[in-house]
Amino acid sequence: GAGVSQSPRYKVAKRGQDVALRCDPISGHVSLFWYQQALGQGPEFLTYFQNEAQLDKSGLPSDRFFAERPEGSVSTLKIQRTQQEDSAVYLCASSLEGEARSIQYFGAGTRLSVL
Amino acid sequence: AQSVSQHNHHVILSEAASLELGCNYSYGGTVNLFWYVQYPGQHLQLLLKYFSGDPLVKGIKGFEAEFIKSKFSFNLRKPSVQWSDTAEYFCAVNAYSGAGSYQLTFGKGTKLSVIP
Repeated sequence: GAGVSQSPRYKVAKRGQDVALRCDPISGHVSLFWYQQALGQGPEFLTYFQNEAQLDKSGLPSDRFFAERPEGSVSTLKIQRTQQEDSAVYLCASSLEGEARSIQYFGAGTRLSVL
Repeated sequence: AQSVSQHNHHVILSEAASLELGCNYSYGGTVNLFWYVQYPGQHLQLLLKYFSGDPLVKGIKGFEAEFIKSKFSFNLRKPSVQWSDTAEYFCAVNAYSGAGSYQLTFGKGTKLSVIP
């Protein structure tokens, strides 16, 4: 595809519901990142995949957050038992290689509102 | 851990005014530096980057940034802004985390409003 695609664009959940957010990276990109952007803040790192391997999940705020990328392309971020503090924009980014100088390309994000 | 500080939350300028947005980072090792821009309703886009070499880097749409190592700064500049530059600007640093990834650490962003 032309860019990183995320779906849905908007998600409203009742507190306690589970949600799943999808990310389609740029074709052929090895690295995939998830970020969380709260209102008025910059994006904050959640987790990183290189191909299908989750190499870093140090940014996941709790064990309610889970991410996977089983075939090394599409990734899903799942949040269980959503809480109000989970309300944020969730951004996905991909890069061609797994190195510091590899440019990250961002999707438009999924705006999650937990009521 | 690295951190990024952007000094201005909201900047309002008239068209043709000059722009300088401050960015400071804290990290003792080698870093790669980025400015991203988010136009209203759009996704984050790379404006420019610095990896090594000439500390004055030029990006798209007439933007430039200067890396000053001694000040841990990477300020963004544009000599003459246009209404179309209205957007939110994010400074980011990328350094190996030791956990196997090269995630970006972002500042809180600066919202730029350009008045025609």
